[in-house]
Amino acid sequence: GAGVSQSPSNKVTEKGKDVELRCDPISGHTALYWYRQSLGQGLEFLIYFQGNSAPDKSGLPSDRFSAERTGGSVSTLTIQRTQQEDSAVYLCASSLDGAYTFGSGTRLTVV
Amino acid sequence: RKEVEQDPGPFNVPEGATVAFNCTYSNSASQSFFWYRQDCRKEPKLLMSVYSSGNEDGRFTAQLNRASQYISLLIRDSKLSDSATYLCVVNRRGSGTYKYIFGTGTRLKVLA
Repeated sequence: GAGVSQSPSNKVTEKGKDVELRCDPISGHTALYWYRQSLGQGLEFLIYFQGNSAPDKSGLPSDRFSAERTGGSVSTLTIQRTQQEDSAVYLCASSLDGAYTFGSGTRLTVV
Repeated sequence: RKEVEQDPGPFNVPEGATVAFNCTYSNSASQSFFWYRQDCRKEPKLLMSVYSSGNEDGRFTAQLNRASQYISLLIRDSKLSDSATYLCVVNRRGSGTYKYIFGTGTRLKVLA
């Protein structure tokens, strides 16, 4: 597609439930990133995929968070047993060589 | 100390004013630099890359000072539509991969 597509755009979930967030990067972009942004805060790096290399998971805040990237394209970020502090906007970005292009994000609210 | 630091602001300036933001970075291995703009409740969008020789795009000028490890953004003739948060971004290599490190942003409000 022309841009980075994320779904759902909004998600409200109950505490303790699992959620899956999807990112469809720009076609041909080899690098894919997940960030999250809490209200009024900066962007927090979560995980980075580059081609067939092992992902950089150094930003994942706990083992409740995991991500996959299938076939070098679509990525899914999974949060298990959600907590209220997981509420944030989860942003995906892709890049070919240099500047990132961000999706419009998934706004996650854990109630 | 954060790896990328910005003054959070807000910077409140009248229309037509010139305003400048600085951003400092601590890792001398940082390789490329960018300014992104983020409007309220929207995703960040690339404003401009920052080159060693400095670069200009219309009313916006970006500069890099490697010796002092900072980058700057200058906005001339501010417009109401320039009101946004400006994010400084540093791209560096670590653990075999490159990744962006974002500053927390500087909020600009241009007042009529």
